[in-house]
Amino acid sequence: QQPVQSPQAVILREGEDAVINCSSSKALYSVHWYRQKHGEAPIFLMILLKGGEQKGHDKISASFNEKKQQSSLYLTASQLSYSGTYFCGTNTGGFKTIFGAGTRLFVKA
Amino acid sequence: DTGVSQDPRHKITKRGQNVTFRCDPISEHNRLYWYRQTLGQGPEFLTYFQNEAQLEKSRLLSDRFSAERPKGSFSTLEIQRTEQGDSAMYLCASSLQGDQETQYFGPGTRLLVL
Repeated sequence: QQPVQSPQAVILREGEDAVINCSSSKALYSVHWYRQKHGEAPIFLMILLKGGEQKGHDKISASFNEKKQQSSLYLTASQLSYSGTYFCGTNTGGFKTIFGAGTRLFVKA
Repeated sequence: DTGVSQDPRHKITKRGQNVTFRCDPISEHNRLYWYRQTLGQGPEFLTYFQNEAQLEKSRLLSDRFSAERPKGSFSTLEIQRTEQGDSAMYLCASSLQGDQETQYFGPGTRLLVL
């Protein structure tokens, strides 16, 4: 079943922060986050594994709450280059990753 | 460039024609996935290979769709008797077993069926 992402879209000014949420109705083994720019392939950002963890690099980080079957992606001090569509992909333990419908992020100067 | 490559990048065809797409995964990756993505949606799983074995096909994949991965290297996705509803971006991704299933996507093949 497809995970639910919220919000569907967000507009930020450069330097502002954003949070994108991903929730599933199924118990999760891992959550994957990708960013896709228009007309390009999705680019891998990070993966979070069962056990509840938080990861981050640069100003993009994420958390995974296994009990709530939710993950959140945190974008701090956003840059113009952060614009794009963010997808979460959920894995319940096999090889199949199911992607959400995406959150469209637009950062303006 | 050692990433995932796909060919062609764009394909325009008439309804009823057959089309074939190719995907070359990252060389050491033994897992390969095909997805379909329509405007405003996330990638939808179509099928998965581990080495040369096709281990799962989505119910979305009708009998008109077939995929192969001979010798466990490149893969092809064929659509027979194309329909307008097949118009979409077809993405290929590969991963290395044991690498937490991190999938690396190719640039995709955009199909337009007239």
